[in-house]
Amino acid sequence: GAVVSQHPSRVICKSGTSVKIECRSLDFQATTMFWYRQFPKQSLMLMATSNEGSKATYEQGVEKDKFLINHASLTLSTLTVTSAHPEDSSFYICSAPLAGSYNEQFFGPGTRLTVL
Amino acid sequence: AQKITQTQPGMFVQEKEAVTLDCTYDTSDQSYGLFWYKQPSSGEMIFLIYQGSYDEQNATEGRYSLNFQKARKSANLVISASQLGDSAMYFCAMREGRGNAGKSTFGDGTTLTVKP
Repeated sequence: GAVVSQHPSRVICKSGTSVKIECRSLDFQATTMFWYRQFPKQSLMLMATSNEGSKATYEQGVEKDKFLINHASLTLSTLTVTSAHPEDSSFYICSAPLAGSYNEQFFGPGTRLTVL
Repeated sequence: AQKITQTQPGMFVQEKEAVTLDCTYDTSDQSYGLFWYKQPSSGEMIFLIYQGSYDEQNATEGRYSLNFQKARKSANLVISASQLGDSAMYFCAMREGRGNAGKSTFGDGTTLTVKP
């Protein structure tokens, strides 16, 4: 099956620094990717839709200036958490659907961010 | 109102027994898709099964089957012959309209524990 990777898998940073998380589709092209956030023992919350060649679409309540998304190519989307604070500590998961598919999307393994 | 409701925060099942995880949903769209995902402690999201709103038959994938009752707006997951490796968090999700699979709303999840 299709594979999506994320890097890094874990990151610990100091408050006030910025952290970049990469999401790559390894064997298929993804014009759209999705970024989710998950707090411990809670549900996944969709943060934004990353669109190759255009601006990301953010869900209500998600600060676009804090969570910068860049879909640089058909296989790479990046999420940058700017000026991170402890409350940004979370599990960030990306997904990439197969083009035109209504029911097939592939999740990355997730990135656990801890802000000290 | 919540779009996806999973009323069972935790469930226990004896190994080799069957278990049903409940999911109800709320939508005014005629076209939608329902998904179940498994999330082990490692954090990766694993796709289990999909049911389209126009599918007349209940979806099945190996030991997983989806009990789709459209009039009741329920999409329960049935796992037959439970195995110890089935212990994980299970999420029900819905994609409204004929949009991309990634733009889904997730329930709060059910933690399943399989007892030996």
